[in-house]
Amino acid sequence: NAGVTQTPKFQVLKTGQSMTLQCAQDMNHNSMYWYRQDPGMGLRLIYYSASEGTTDKGEVPNGYNVSRLNKREFSLRLESAAPSQTSVYFCASGEAGRDEAFFGQGTRLTVV
Amino acid sequence: GDSVTQMEGPVTLSEEAFLTINCTYTATGYPSLFWYVQYPGEGLQLLLKATKADDKGSNKGFEATYRKETTSFHLEKGSVQVSDSAVYFCALTYGSGNTGKLIFGQGTTLQVKP
Repeated sequence: NAGVTQTPKFQVLKTGQSMTLQCAQDMNHNSMYWYRQDPGMGLRLIYYSASEGTTDKGEVPNGYNVSRLNKREFSLRLESAAPSQTSVYFCASGEAGRDEAFFGQGTRLTVV
Repeated sequence: GDSVTQMEGPVTLSEEAFLTINCTYTATGYPSLFWYVQYPGEGLQLLLKATKADDKGSNKGFEATYRKETTSFHLEKGSVQVSDSAVYFCALTYGSGNTGKLIFGQGTTLQVKP
């Protein structure tokens, strides 16, 4: 009964370092999403993937890249981390047309 | 562009009190509307949804009605419990092509005291 699994749960990076956030879902969903959550701003969409092999920018894509490795996995990469990327990152999956998104437990990232 | 505005929090209530969390939206087209809940240390989970005007979504004693004339989707519960303490997010779908992308409000923290 895993649903959406994100790794790691916590990470501290130095400015300029790179890292990849991993996300996997076991619900056979076609669509996957990456959001960031900042205080007082709700969640904002970074990138999404409507199906395996496709990715598109969301509201706040600058500084990020994504890879839809296969139907299950959707990773988010920070090539050169900046303090402004300190946030909680959520991966989600869903079946477009059914609307409901299922969220992972989040990755709390701090860039110092 | 499309947007969602929620009432400012935090909201502090005593157990068994009536809850209202206001949500208004701006959207082109006819979005679906949602309430998600986030318990401490967890991801978001869907609480309820409504897909067209005048629909009422309900779950676990919570209700919200899609009001197109007032562009609102206010969350209500008749009698809150301590276990309802969480952050509540109002959201809508946006963009063409039924992609499932969501725009969220800023969240409202609810604290229920015994």
